[in-house]
Amino acid sequence: LAKTTQPISMDSYEGQEVNITCSHNNIATNDYITWYQQFPSQGPRFIIQGYKTKVTNEVASLFIPADRKSSTLSLPRVSLSDTAVYYCLVANTSGTYKYIFGTGTRLKVLA
Amino acid sequence: EPEVTQTPSHQVTQMGQEVILRCVPISNHLYFYWYRQILGQKVEFLVSFYNNEISEKSEIFDDQFSVERPDGSNFTLKIRSTKLEDSAMYFCASSAKTGRTEAFFGQGTRLTVV
Repeated sequence: LAKTTQPISMDSYEGQEVNITCSHNNIATNDYITWYQQFPSQGPRFIIQGYKTKVTNEVASLFIPADRKSSTLSLPRVSLSDTAVYYCLVANTSGTYKYIFGTGTRLKVLA
Repeated sequence: EPEVTQTPSHQVTQMGQEVILRCVPISNHLYFYWYRQILGQKVEFLVSFYNNEISEKSEIFDDQFSVERPDGSNFTLKIRSTKLEDSAMYFCASSAKTGRTEAFFGQGTRLTVV
């Protein structure tokens, strides 16, 4: 499984766009990139998943460059309720029976 | 929206006692997982389960731990003889497939060993 590296923490202000970048230099051809969000004392919650280029849903966008060695989660116009830990995971589509969480990025949104 | 449910939400037990943590995965999911999170630390993989057997387990999942799917709906984690260091949040998760699809996590069971 590819190792991921993310910033430990980030601060932002309400209404700003937040971009969290994850490095996964050893990503394999069959690997997908998935982001989860975790609030205190709750289980992780799926945000978005992608393989290449750009994916957008109602919550976030995920940008993946052509070499796929990194990815950026973009949260538009964050609010105080977006304060959470964000995890980047890399997992392939076959033969993987686990999701490995790194240390994540602790995002704090300030008023 | 379908959800994974875990019971109890909080369990306090004495060191050396056995505990069973229970989970009801989403009904049409085929893959099941247990994770734990010690306070202030990252989410750690314990075990995955598919087709009524363990698919993969971490080094944390030693002989003190076992998992079972006793019927068509429940998925349990048993800790035979709890230690103080087993105190953590335990999360159950399920997914329709591995890797490519999202895993749904329950709200967790906070286990406190005293």
